[in-house]
Amino acid sequence: EDKVVQSPLSLVVHEGDTVTLNCSYEVTNFRSLLWYKQEKKAPTFLFMLTSSGIEKKSGRLSSILDKKELFSILNITATQTGDSAIYLCAVKNSGGSNYKLTFGKGTLLTVNP
Amino acid sequence: GAGVSQSPSNKVTEKGKDVELRCDPISGHTALYWYRQSLGQGLEFLIYFQGNSAPDKSGLPSDRFSAERTGGSVSTLTIQRTQQEDSAVYLCASSAGTLVDTQYFGPGTRLTVL
Repeated sequence: EDKVVQSPLSLVVHEGDTVTLNCSYEVTNFRSLLWYKQEKKAPTFLFMLTSSGIEKKSGRLSSILDKKELFSILNITATQTGDSAIYLCAVKNSGGSNYKLTFGKGTLLTVNP
Repeated sequence: GAGVSQSPSNKVTEKGKDVELRCDPISGHTALYWYRQSLGQGLEFLIYFQGNSAPDKSGLPSDRFSAERTGGSVSTLTIQRTQQEDSAVYLCASSAGTLVDTQYFGPGTRLTVL
């Protein structure tokens, strides 16, 4: 069974800080890893990673995947209060159940002014 | 539509009653998914529809849960004889197809069973 573990479970920082969120996984026939941001109820898509070592970047957010060590990190630089949210990591396999995402429990990020 | 929509946004019901939750996927998306998010937990897969194929119901937690998708578009998740442990946010997602990895989520329905 596929498994995703995120750390830390929660994190409180001040505006301007840089944060690193971690996601480790166990998956049979890895296909992709996805990051989502969940502010109220709807998770919104951030990144999809399929290849090791290639950084995906969007503004102050970036993410990278290590398929050898089976983990990904999500970095947020110069954090703002609007970054406060739950960040979800999910994996997809290329096997028989290659349509569903397996999610971690998420990291609750709180950015204080 | 511009995104996935769900209704109602909130539902409070009494234990033992039936509820129906609705999902309108993004226009043209053939794949539709239901997930459940309980307090402090990650998203738990419930059911998956792809085109006219038989749905994968392997994630449904009990036979009180069922879902259908009419005309390859709108989907309804039904929970019969609700229990307090059914309280959660029910999220629907759609994607352009099975091989398209990115799933786009709706705002969810927060179900509270008293």
